[in-house]
Amino acid sequence: EVKLVESGGGLVQPGRSLRLSCAASGFTFDDFGMHWVRQVPGKGLEWVAGINWGGGNIDYADSVKGRFTISRDNAKHSLYLQMNSLRGDDTAFYYCAKDKAAANIGAFDSWGQGALVTVSS
Amino acid sequence: SYVLTQSPSVSVAPGQTATIACGGDKIGSKSLHWYRQRPGQAPELVVYDDNDRPSGISDRFSGSNSENTATLTISGVEVGDEADYYCHVWDSRSNHVFGGGTKVTVL
Repeated sequence: EVKLVESGGGLVQPGRSLRLSCAASGFTFDDFGMHWVRQVPGKGLEWVAGINWGGGNIDYADSVKGRFTISRDNAKHSLYLQMNSLRGDDTAFYYCAKDKAAANIGAFDSWGQGALVTVSS
Repeated sequence: SYVLTQSPSVSVAPGQTATIACGGDKIGSKSLHWYRQRPGQAPELVVYDDNDRPSGISDRFSGSNSENTATLTISGVEVGDEADYYCHVWDSRSNHVFGGGTKVTVL
């Protein structure tokens, strides 16, 4: 069974940093692309960043480019999102999602339960 | 940037058919995916690549995609189908794009 478990969420002041982690199990982690998707409570889904199986292809939404960094450690079966210069509009649930393919351009066939990030002073 | 447009809500009686539309420029040329999100839960893939279903998803869910409109059809709607449904594509310029979501209410 595929399992994705996010951690690292919490309350952070504007301008500060936070690092999310996603622990993956139940599949061959380094065979698949991975993503972060966020959702403001009560609103729709917004793709944040994606990384292919080996980490050689990375993309970001314009809203986070230059502030957020996605990375992965295949040996640890883990995905990360380093979030710097956080703003109030970054407040959201952040989901880790698995791509159906090795690239990062497919459907998202498994999702974690989400980590809430609240940016407020 | 590429935009996907969904109606905010659809209401359907139990046992009837729900049709959820997703509009986008030449969307028929892209691979279209659908997700279901029940209240308080994470999204779940229900249809991928226009009309394929992941294992474990009921065959009551089907999809189509042509020209400027993609459609998710839920036949024999059940109370448990009440959820928000999102369409999703990958676009070479805009990357991953989600529709705004459609809330399905079972009357």
